[in-house]
Amino acid sequence: EAQVTQNPRYLITVTGKKLTVTCSQNMNHEYMSWYRQDPGLGLRQIYYSMNVEVTDKGDVPEGYKVSRKEKRNFPLILESPSPNQTSLYFCASSFSTPVVNEQFFGPGTRLTVL
Amino acid sequence: GDSVTQMEGPVTLSEEAFLTINCTYTATGYPSLFWYVQYPGEGLQLLLKATKADDKGSNKGFEATYRKETTSFHLEKGSVQVSDSAVYFCALDRDDKIIFGKGTRLHILP
Repeated sequence: EAQVTQNPRYLITVTGKKLTVTCSQNMNHEYMSWYRQDPGLGLRQIYYSMNVEVTDKGDVPEGYKVSRKEKRNFPLILESPSPNQTSLYFCASSFSTPVVNEQFFGPGTRLTVL
Repeated sequence: GDSVTQMEGPVTLSEEAFLTINCTYTATGYPSLFWYVQYPGEGLQLLLKATKADDKGSNKGFEATYRKETTSFHLEKGSVQVSDSAVYFCALDRDDKIIFGKGTRLHILP
């Protein structure tokens, strides 16, 4: 089944404890992206990647890191999480730019930082 | 900067009612426009899109027309069902990124 998977689905952590949220897609997509969803703010893009080893900042990249060493994986890293990073996170992928190709979303990761 | 404004929810309708969710945009140039839908507990799915002025996107009974003169892309459906209950996001493209509106929650009562 073609899909985007994220792990974990739920995570509660404490301020300053490094964490990684994994994202993997099995559709051979070149474009991958991370978004955060907050009440009243909609979805905002954190980082995106046009291809392996190519990453770019989205609209809210502060406090996050990403890497794209393999085509299928695009992990989101929070080196020192803070409470304002409590949010619902979505990974997404598409064949190329989502302007042209449909973007497929993962199920989401709900992160709480205490 | 480029942005999307959509009507605040929640919107509550009875089954078989007519639906309109308003969306207007601000952008330089002529962006592509999108509607995404998020069902409870799931990620977003592309519902429809339009790439140029006067284009009409349609899917699952939903329609939206790209109106350059009013910078609008309103979502409509003639007869909603309980299964249409979801959050709907209007969006536009800027470079290689999608800019989303804040979302409109729709409740359909049986």
